[in-house]
Amino acid sequence: GQSLEQPSEVTAVEGAIVQINCTYQTSGFYGLSWYQQHDGGAPTFLSYNALDGLEETGRFSSFLSRSDSYGYLLLQELQMKDSASYFCAVRSGPYKLSFGAGTTVTVRA
Amino acid sequence: DTEVTQTPKHLVMGMTNKKSLKCEQHMGHRAMYWYKQKAKKPPELMFVYSYEKLSINESVPSRFSPECPNSSLLNLHLHALQPEDSALYLCASSQPSGGLAGAPGADTQYFGPGTRLTVL
Repeated sequence: GQSLEQPSEVTAVEGAIVQINCTYQTSGFYGLSWYQQHDGGAPTFLSYNALDGLEETGRFSSFLSRSDSYGYLLLQELQMKDSASYFCAVRSGPYKLSFGAGTTVTVRA
Repeated sequence: DTEVTQTPKHLVMGMTNKKSLKCEQHMGHRAMYWYKQKAKKPPELMFVYSYEKLSINESVPSRFSPECPNSSLLNLHLHALQPEDSALYLCASSQPSGGLAGAPGADTQYFGPGTRLTVL
């Protein structure tokens, strides 16, 4: 089976940097991705790592270390609109995504 | 067009009713998914269709019956549901991955807005 661990909540002020860690145990690994979900909204894809290293997409970056079964999502220059839930997800087969429990990010003025 | 549409947005049904949820995408994606999401929880995979064939059924009770009439449409037929089935039902689509690591197909899923289902 798969298990993913991420912090349940993070609070930060506007302009700050937040790092959301994700550790995983999985029987197969094809990639680690990150999704954002605002209250009442649908999950939206943010970033994906299949290989070790850092992927940067604007203010968001994602990192993967396959040897450590660990990744993180880095949110920079936090804005109020970044208040949302963030899920890490492991793909353990051609189609199966397993999501972590989610991290609620609250951005304060 | 990167949109996945779902109808209806809200559905209230009794335990003896039969209803259907509909999902549509026009991105040419050949993989489509149904997820169930309870409040404050992550999405849970229910079914995956790949090239219009059922690829994954995550041991979902038979009162949920998926159907993929063509490459753009996905339905979820509901019958004799229980109150604990009340949740947000999300449809998603993606390119197929072919099982290759490093090919991001199924990692990049496009979700519809969901149908909020209440079973009385």
